[in-house]
Amino acid sequence: QKEVEQNSGPLSVPEGAIASLNCTYSDRGSQSFFWYRQYSGKSPELIMFIYSNGDKEDGRFTAQLNKASQYVSLLIRDSQPSDSATYLCAGPRANKLIFGTGTLLAVQP
Amino acid sequence: NAGVTQTPKFRILKIGQSMTLQCTQDMNHNYMYWYRQDPGMGLKLIYYSVGAGITDKGEVPNGYNVSRSTTEDFPLRLELAAPSQTSVYFCASSPRGTSGTGTDTQYFGPGTRLTVL
Repeated sequence: QKEVEQNSGPLSVPEGAIASLNCTYSDRGSQSFFWYRQYSGKSPELIMFIYSNGDKEDGRFTAQLNKASQYVSLLIRDSQPSDSATYLCAGPRANKLIFGTGTLLAVQP
Repeated sequence: NAGVTQTPKFRILKIGQSMTLQCTQDMNHNYMYWYRQDPGMGLKLIYYSVGAGITDKGEVPNGYNVSRSTTEDFPLRLELAAPSQTSVYFCASSPRGTSGTGTDTQYFGPGTRLTVL
């Protein structure tokens, strides 16, 4: 089992809908997670960081962490075509970040 | 602040050639990382450094070497380039290692696209 797993997608949603991106992890000791967005041909950029159970909201983005289920998600409300990108989740491990392979999100106008 | 800068942006190498990918950060971060990303794939860690003079292997170190003589610079050396090293290379830096508080956020450079023919 990979340490951090994501569905590669593509996940296609219509403009204005809620996009739900999911990530599971194997290390029960993981305390925090990052969500990065990567546009095609560009470098990853940080969207959100979450380190406690429950929800964390930032504008149209909500990250959810469920440590008991070893599950972290990212919700994007009112999806826009500009949200079309690959979303990577990552968990810290011994001075490093372990990245998932990313989920490709396509928002249809 | 420029953040993390990488040079060159693009490079084509012939099999067996060598080159150095440059990475510089101006945020005074102790932690620096080199990743490679193959098309449609995730990030694979090549090497990382927790401070000047200290480096360690990541997931895919074979065929690469690094050095860290200053806080700012973390060059990646490719010796005897092979087609399997065709990839996009990203350098990243972080103020801390694993912290669980967000201070271990990694900031990425723009990447170097390398083709080995």
